[in-house]
Amino acid sequence: DSGVTQTPKHLITATGQRVTLRCSPRSGDLSVYWYQQSLDQGLQFLIQYYNGEERAKGNILERFSAQQFPDLHSELNLSSLELGDSALYFCASTRGRGGTSSDTQYFGPGTRLTVL
Amino acid sequence: AQSVAQPEDQVNVAEGNPLTVKCTYSVSGNPYLFWYVQYPNRGLQFLLKYITGDNLVKGSYGFEAEFNKSQTSFHLKKPSALVSDSALYFCAVRDIKNDMRFGAGTRLTVKP
Repeated sequence: DSGVTQTPKHLITATGQRVTLRCSPRSGDLSVYWYQQSLDQGLQFLIQYYNGEERAKGNILERFSAQQFPDLHSELNLSSLELGDSALYFCASTRGRGGTSSDTQYFGPGTRLTVL
Repeated sequence: AQSVAQPEDQVNVAEGNPLTVKCTYSVSGNPYLFWYVQYPNRGLQFLLKYITGDNLVKGSYGFEAEFNKSQTSFHLKKPSALVSDSALYFCAVRDIKNDMRFGAGTRLTVKP
């Protein structure tokens, strides 16, 4: 158990809908990273928050947004869902900001999103 | 720009034989290199990392990896494979300027 929690485990929804995925980092970790894992795209970095502020952006669509709250949990919001958004969404956390440190990213169990 | 490549989509070994999962990288500056394992329907689990120092890094579950700067490689190894090692393995790299980038993954199958 990495100490990173994600809810829900599974989510089934329809095209055009909006969903929110939740992540709680390990105790003491300040950074949260979001990744999308699909069969054809592999593991894609979406976005990172550090202590409530957006720090880095990857291949995140404009229909997607995220935030990190004062208690350091993070939410990933996916809107106007399309069939191609079906994937596993992971969050990971690190103690520091990342980028200039050797921090290890610890991953949550993921949320499997199915868009019908 | 930093990148990491896992040249093999699939690696098959017999139980008890040594295994190697290959990874090569391209970064500016000194690399931080990581290996993760993903079991079906699970998140990625950290195995080991190279930061600096000894080129042979030992990690969880009997895995080790060898950092080779001249060949820009960081291959994952285990002396004796177990059927339970069957999983998807990801190599990742981070340099001092950028965030982590993952390889495409290598599916390891260990047959009894």
